[in-house]
Amino acid sequence: DAKTTQPNSMESNEEEPVHLPCNHSTISGTDYIHWYRQLPSQGPEYVIHGLTSNVNNRMASLAIAEDRKSSTLILHRATLRDAAVYYCGTNFGNEKLTFGTGTRLTIIP
Amino acid sequence: DTGVSQNPRHKITKRGQNVTFRCDPISEHNRLYWYRQTLGQGPEFLTYFQNEAQLEKSRLLSDRFSAERPKGSFSTLEIQRTEQGDSAMYLCASSLGGRRNEQFFGPGTRLTVL
Repeated sequence: DAKTTQPNSMESNEEEPVHLPCNHSTISGTDYIHWYRQLPSQGPEYVIHGLTSNVNNRMASLAIAEDRKSSTLILHRATLRDAAVYYCGTNFGNEKLTFGTGTRLTIIP
Repeated sequence: DTGVSQNPRHKITKRGQNVTFRCDPISEHNRLYWYRQTLGQGPEFLTYFQNEAQLEKSRLLSDRFSAERPKGSFSTLEIQRTEQGDSAMYLCASSLGGRRNEQFFGPGTRLTVL
């Protein structure tokens, strides 16, 4: 199982882009990279996932390093509702997700 | 699509008692996962099912834990002889499988063992 490491916390100003990093140096060639976010007293919410190529969806973008040992979740224009704990995780196919300890994102109005 | 539901949302029990949690996945999702989350940590995998078959169990899942998904729909997680160390949030997730790899989580059941 690929271990992921993330900064404990980050701050960003409202309406500015946010780049959340994740290291997964032991990832295997067939593991997917996932990002979820979690609000207090709620279950994690899916944000985005990818394998090798960068991915975009309505919530965010995922930039994957060429060697796949790291990735960055990009929130293009942070809002107060984006304040949450963001978890980076990996899995093989549809199997279990292995999460890190997450980054607590604070948005400054 | 009503999302993944879990019941109860909160459970307080005394040490040594048995507890059972229920998870109803999104309909047509054939994969169902159980995770445990303690304060300040990410979710940790416990077990998962494809339809009614339990495909993998974590080493975290001691003999006191058992999970079932009898008809490939809802699932139950039972903890026997609860210990204070079992206090955590128990999360259920489901996925469609195949190329749809994203997992959809329920709100969780918070267990407190006194």
